[in-house]
Amino acid sequence: EAGVAQSPRYKIIEKRQSVAFWCNPISGHATLYWYQQILGQGPKLLIQFQNNGVVDDSQLPKDRFSAERLKGVDSTLKIQPAKLEDSAVYLCASSLASLETQYFGPGTRLLVL
Amino acid sequence: GENVEQHPSTLSVQEGDSAVIKCTYSDSASNYFPWYKQELGKRPQLIIDIRSNVGEKKDQRIAVTLNKTAKHFSLHITETQPEDSAVYFCAASSSNNDMRFGAGTRLTVKP
Repeated sequence: EAGVAQSPRYKIIEKRQSVAFWCNPISGHATLYWYQQILGQGPKLLIQFQNNGVVDDSQLPKDRFSAERLKGVDSTLKIQPAKLEDSAVYLCASSLASLETQYFGPGTRLLVL
Repeated sequence: GENVEQHPSTLSVQEGDSAVIKCTYSDSASNYFPWYKQELGKRPQLIIDIRSNVGEKKDQRIAVTLNKTAKHFSLHITETQPEDSAVYFCAASSSNNDMRFGAGTRLTVKP
């Protein structure tokens, strides 16, 4: 069974630039999550999708972050414009349903200079 | 919203000893409590989880206990091995879809 795929794996940008991350969840998984993990901290949930609908985006900085999951499969997370404090690993995870085991992708390591 | 606190932040044990990591949560509606292991530079991986309808769950050398009254849950690793060295995260979530992670515990098992 293929796991959660993410791209790119690494990204370096300058502040105020834009960046987008892509996630392909495990086939059949209805729930998709985006997390931000700053070095030395636990993952912070940014947004959770159930199929193509948002069920939790309370911790998403909506002035600069946006996410979508068109057709309820792949998802993209965008940051525009980026700030230095956005430097982190962005993890995508998926599960069959909420409150079920989450499987994480390899993450995208973002460095904002 | 949910808030999860995790202790200790670092833990060093001798190989063969037991390790215990504790977490507290704030939302009494939380009913799902997973534990993840994250090795350096790798993705978090689920090692065990527990739901609010049970007080304890065990899987070989790993066990988790839950006290809903006190709103805390703990991870127990027995007969630790060097390959258990990693960062461990607890998390809590309710049907409100508000998964929140603790800050992590860096476990070092010394041979």
